[in-house]
Amino acid sequence: AQTVTQSQPEMSVQEAETVTLSCTYDTSESDYYLFWYKQPPSRQMILVIRQEAYKQQNATENRFSVNFQKAAKSFSLKISDSQLGDAAMYFCAYRSATNFGNEKLTFGTGTRLTIIP
Amino acid sequence: GAVVSQHPSRVICKSGTSVKIECRSLDFQATTMFWYRQFPKQSLMLMATSNEGSKATYEQGVEKDKFLINHASLTLSTLTVTSAHPEDSSFYICSAPLTYEQYFGPGTRLTVT
Repeated sequence: AQTVTQSQPEMSVQEAETVTLSCTYDTSESDYYLFWYKQPPSRQMILVIRQEAYKQQNATENRFSVNFQKAAKSFSLKISDSQLGDAAMYFCAYRSATNFGNEKLTFGTGTRLTIIP
Repeated sequence: GAVVSQHPSRVICKSGTSVKIECRSLDFQATTMFWYRQFPKQSLMLMATSNEGSKATYEQGVEKDKFLINHASLTLSTLTVTSAHPEDSSFYICSAPLTYEQYFGPGTRLTVT
């Protein structure tokens, strides 16, 4: 079974600064997807960024980028120019790419990000 | 983007009663939907996979008779908490996959008194 580990329960960053959230995972599969989701106080889950395991290039979405290290099974999220609206719980998630119809996600325990004005 | 709705957003029920939560994919069809439970300050815990036209697949430790799931159409899955007790109070979230991604409903806060 796959596992996802987020070792930082809480992080804080000054507004406009950069912060990196860590995530490691364990799998025996070679083809999979990794995601970062954001859950603000409203509790609506919002997709931040997605990475396909077969792609060597790290995914980027505006101020959000990942450092995907497949051999090390590491998938960190970097948030640049942090904004007050970035304050939320961030969850790393894994999904197998091999089982069509079984697209369930395995989540990490989450990192609560606080933005300091 | 794809939208998933949940109804109700909040519900309070008395102990021993049943409550139904609906999850709808508004602009796409979903043969599979997922139900999660989230305790305060914790991660999402997958409860079951809802399969259109067939039985749901429950995760280990989830009581099938307490959490009844029905996926009657390609856009609707329901979760019924039967004979609810205070320990069933929680935040329930559904999701539906579309291509590579999962789209989440806004969640339902269940309080059992």
